[in-house]
Amino acid sequence: DGGITQSPKYLFRKEGQNVTLSCEQNLNHDAMYWYRQDPGQGLRLIYYSQIVNDFQKGDIAEGYSVSREKKESFPLTVTSAQKNPTAFYLCASSISTSPDTQYFGPGTRLTVL
Amino acid sequence: SQQGEEDPQALSIQEGENATMNCSYKTSINNLQWYRQNSGRGLVHLILIRSNEREKHSGRLRVTLDTSKKSSSLLITASRAADTASYFCATDALGSWGKLQFGAGTQVVVTP
Repeated sequence: DGGITQSPKYLFRKEGQNVTLSCEQNLNHDAMYWYRQDPGQGLRLIYYSQIVNDFQKGDIAEGYSVSREKKESFPLTVTSAQKNPTAFYLCASSISTSPDTQYFGPGTRLTVL
Repeated sequence: SQQGEEDPQALSIQEGENATMNCSYKTSINNLQWYRQNSGRGLVHLILIRSNEREKHSGRLRVTLDTSKKSSSLLITASRAADTASYFCATDALGSWGKLQFGAGTQVVVTP
């Protein structure tokens, strides 16, 4: 069963704590992306990776960090420096470069208490 | 920055009716894509239209693209309750290497 998975589905964190969101894909896609979605809004790009061991900042990278040590995995860490981290986080992947369809995971809803 | 802007923000129709939503964007694009999102879920790709195409069909979906007006429309014919979702356009701007810019979406409610 191919696809892209994210875990956990719901995550609660206290202020000042770092937290890592998991994203795994078995589609053999080269490119992976992290987006943030706030209520009633579209998606904003946090980080993206075109290939293993390489990644670039998106539009709202401050307070976030990523790694891409394996082709299948692209974890996102929300650090304590992120001022307003409560949001819905979506991971996506695509075969390669533009133009291309992006395939999305089910999302992780992060709430800061 | 949001390149694509959908209109209307919300749409309520009855089953069997057609639903039309529009997307406007600001800069030249490689392609424009439409995605659907059910509440609390990830996005599902619906259709991709390239900058040199004017119209595409997929099942009950029809997408048009007018690059001179920098606009696109998505038509869902014979709507069903299962079409209830938010619909987003996403643009792949020239030189952006596949980085999609999403609009805020159109929330569609189809009532039986």
